[in-house]
Amino acid sequence: QSALTQPRSVSGSPGESVTISCTGTSSDVGPYNFVSWYQQSPGKAPKLIIYDINQRPSEVPDRFSGSKSGNTASLTISDLQTEDEAAYYCCSYAGSAIALFGGGTEVTVL
Amino acid sequence: EVQLVESGGGSVQPGGSLRLSCAASGFTLSGHWMHWVRQGPGKGPVWVSRVNKDGSATNYADSVKGRFTISRDNAKNTLYLEMNSLRADDTALYYCVRGLYLEEASTLAFDVWGRGTRVTVSS
Repeated sequence: QSALTQPRSVSGSPGESVTISCTGTSSDVGPYNFVSWYQQSPGKAPKLIIYDINQRPSEVPDRFSGSKSGNTASLTISDLQTEDEAAYYCCSYAGSAIALFGGGTEVTVL
Repeated sequence: EVQLVESGGGSVQPGGSLRLSCAASGFTLSGHWMHWVRQGPGKGPVWVSRVNKDGSATNYADSVKGRFTISRDNAKNTLYLEMNSLRADDTALYYCVRGLYLEEASTLAFDVWGRGTRVTVSS
C-alpha cells in the first residue's frame, strides 16, 4: 500500500493554468473511477474539490477540473488565483476496501 | 450546520491505548459510511479505517489492523476509534471524516472533515 506519487510542488502566475499529476498503479488508480482531490490550507482540514475523477461539488469553482489516463490522474487549476495557494492531495480506491492518498503537491502562485 | 467534532486525543507512551470519539451534528450519521484519516506532522493524509452505515462491516489499513477498532453509535450520532498497542509512528492528527453519499451510484470520497484530534505517542 504505497502512497500515490505526486510532484512536490508546482507554481504559476495569476491567470495561468497548472496541472498536478497523481500516479498510481494498475491496482489502484488504473482500474477504478474513484479518484478524488483535496485542497488543504495551512492549519485547516482537507477540503473535497473533485470526486469520481472529474466531478465537482456544487460549491467548488469550475476552474478546478480532473481527468484520468491509465494509471495517472490529473488535477488542473485554470485561471490561477492567489487563494488557490495550498497543498493538494489525490486519493484513490485501491481495492479491498482500501483508500490511498498521494504525498501532496504544494501550489505556489507567483 | 454539518459538523464533526473529534475528542479523546492526547499523549501516551508506546504500548498504550486511547479512544477517540467523533460527535456528528447537522446530518443523519446513519446515512453515511464514516472514516478515520490521520495526518502526521508535515505529511499527507493516510486513510486508517472505515465503517459501513449500520456498523456491521469495518475495514482497516494494514498498518493498524489488529490494533485499532472502529465503531459507531448511530443513536448517539457518534463515531469511535479504539487504539491499542500504540507506536511512535501512530503519532498524527486524527480526522473523523464523512463518506460522500451519492443517490445514483457508489463512490469513495470524503466530503466532511472534522478539525482533528492530536495523538502523540512518545516515551
